[in-house]
Amino acid sequence: GENVEQHPSTLSVQEGDSAVIKCTYSDSASNYFPWYKQELGKRPQLIIDIRSNVGEKKDQRIAVTLNKTAKHFSLHITETQPEDSAVYFCAASIMGLTGGGNKLTFGTGTQLKVEL
Amino acid sequence: DTAVSQTPKYLVTQMGNDKSIKCEQNLGHDTMYWYKQDSKKFLKIMFSYNNKELIINETVPNRFSPKSPDKAHLNLHINSLELGDSAVYFCASTFRSNGETQYFGPGTRLLVL
Repeated sequence: GENVEQHPSTLSVQEGDSAVIKCTYSDSASNYFPWYKQELGKRPQLIIDIRSNVGEKKDQRIAVTLNKTAKHFSLHITETQPEDSAVYFCAASIMGLTGGGNKLTFGTGTQLKVEL
Repeated sequence: DTAVSQTPKYLVTQMGNDKSIKCEQNLGHDTMYWYKQDSKKFLKIMFSYNNKELIINETVPNRFSPKSPDKAHLNLHINSLELGDSAVYFCASTFRSNGETQYFGPGTRLLVL
């Protein structure tokens, strides 16, 4: 089955700096890679996603890059703000798998702390 | 409000008891999931239902039994609760045909004493 590794487990940055979180996946058939943000005591919420036919996607201060050959993808947050502090999860799945249910395999999470 | 909702939000119980958690979504989705998030924040899928049919069943003890009375509801019944069952249980839903964004419920925090 799919295995997703995520690094670092904790990340502390100064407000205004950039933050980068990296993930690798094992199943070359995976074609959908979402990123979720989970604030303390809250539910995971999708912040950005990318499909395997795209190398990069950007949404304001957040961008995701995908390298299919190397089987890794990364989340980039620029101009970090205190409200970016949360746990971030990457995930991988095979979209369009008949008989399957778009099973998301999550990384182990990165605790991001943005300091003033 | 359109959303994925879960009840109860908190559940404290004794070892050996049986308990149920309920999930409802009014997003019109056809696929629902149960995830378990342990104390280290690791999120792992347990089950998935599509239109009331079980389609994903990970290696979960058979003390856990999901039930989907209709595509808007997915419940989780747990028999003979153990200390290791303490976790946050999240329900999620999506459209299987487009199958990407999964929307999560607020979670049920289960503590087994």
